[in-house]
Amino acid sequence: DTAVSQTPKYLVTQMGNDKSIKCEQNLGHDTMYWYKQDSKKFLKIMFSYNNKELIINETVPNRFSPKSPDKAHLNLHINSLELGDSAVYFCASSQNRAGELFFGEGSRLTVL
Amino acid sequence: EDKVVQSPLSLVVHEGDTVTLNCSYEVTNFRSLLWYKQEKKAPTFLFMLTSSGIEKKSGRLSSILDKKELFSILNITATQTGDSAIYLCASLYYGNNRLAFGKGNQVVVIP
Repeated sequence: DTAVSQTPKYLVTQMGNDKSIKCEQNLGHDTMYWYKQDSKKFLKIMFSYNNKELIINETVPNRFSPKSPDKAHLNLHINSLELGDSAVYFCASSQNRAGELFFGEGSRLTVL
Repeated sequence: EDKVVQSPLSLVVHEGDTVTLNCSYEVTNFRSLLWYKQEKKAPTFLFMLTSSGIEKKSGRLSSILDKKELFSILNITATQTGDSAIYLCASLYYGNNRLAFGKGNQVVVIP
């Protein structure tokens, strides 16, 4: 009964491909996030959704498109993958946008 | 620009030593400061600090916030090898409710 679950955990793909990462939380939280952690372990926010509404959209290339079909799910689709997209992508959720974040275990994306 | 600056970025200590990690943050619209521990996978929550001068403790870990000097300290006493991890500090701001992370303190505890 994982609280925040992401799939896939590992993804290896070629440049130019399109891929998706899925995230689900069973905590009943109303806010979900995508973070990118680079090779230097720096965690940077990409997107945040509150009750299916986009509330944070950092300066992320528009090749990245989040989709929230309901408040328990936030998926991330990436078009035309580039080498620099290689990173660990963390999904997270929180209640009320001001509380602690609960993180998924991460999806390690490697672009060759 | 970095809203959250952590130091030292990495350190190696022996079991039993005490570790002190620093995190400084920007004041504008500051709401609270959070500490996370990241071992191999997901960051896990340690503390949330909102009020200045009130220490929070959990076992051998403790943390305090200084809202005058704009920093927080995370202390780990009697370190064990299981304390080896990256410790992430993050500040939360009113308005955008955005959690900004620092680059982390990498701690290695050797037997």
